[in-house]
Amino acid sequence: SSELTQDPAVSVALGQTVRITCQGDRLRIYFASWYQQKPGHAPVVVMYGKNNRPSGIPDRFSASYSGNTASLTITGSQAEDEADYYCCSRDNSGYWVFGGGTKVTVL
Amino acid sequence: QVHLVQSGAEVKKPGASVKVSCEASADTFTNYPIHWVRQAPGQRLEWVGWINAGNGDTKYSQKFQDRVTFSRDTSASTAYMDLISLTSEDTAVYYCAREQKISINMYWLDPWSQGTLVTVSS
Repeated sequence: SSELTQDPAVSVALGQTVRITCQGDRLRIYFASWYQQKPGHAPVVVMYGKNNRPSGIPDRFSASYSGNTASLTITGSQAEDEADYYCCSRDNSGYWVFGGGTKVTVL
Repeated sequence: QVHLVQSGAEVKKPGASVKVSCEASADTFTNYPIHWVRQAPGQRLEWVGWINAGNGDTKYSQKFQDRVTFSRDTSASTAYMDLISLTSEDTAVYYCAREQKISINMYWLDPWSQGTLVTVSS
């Protein structure tokens, strides 16, 4: 498939670990990037590449890969991590696509 | 650190066109492609396309390629998105974002602009 598939929603207890997955054939070639978006705000990149974290992003965020699936893990979830998370990647022709997004609720 | 600043909100009637600008604060404007991404109310992020700010090459999502045109003014460090034949389904926040790359298979978008709300209504 040329698309990226994410679970629509996931919940996690405060302080616990949550993993968000993103599935798509293009991930066998191109790494995903992950974006956090809070209501009324522009997306912010939280992870990119194999497991790269931009400056200013807490180290509780990490990325991993297996086959055609990319994962974003939040270890020790905080209340401020409640947001929508999108994966994104490109293909060989330069076309990009976003996943459908995963709404993370911190209980 | 570069910042991207977009033009203000627009209200358009169906059938009209809109032009949104995206100005970069740094003089490295021509070194990076600029992407456009939109988000309809309550919906997912949707990739519209990119423009190579250096040579003007473009790539459009197949969904928009008949209605969208990207351009840039390097002297003003500004990219533009023109969208024609607007319908209510084009009501969305439109973002520009700078492409980053550190290897042939590692890309991401950073930073993002604040977004421009385009409302299409009769």
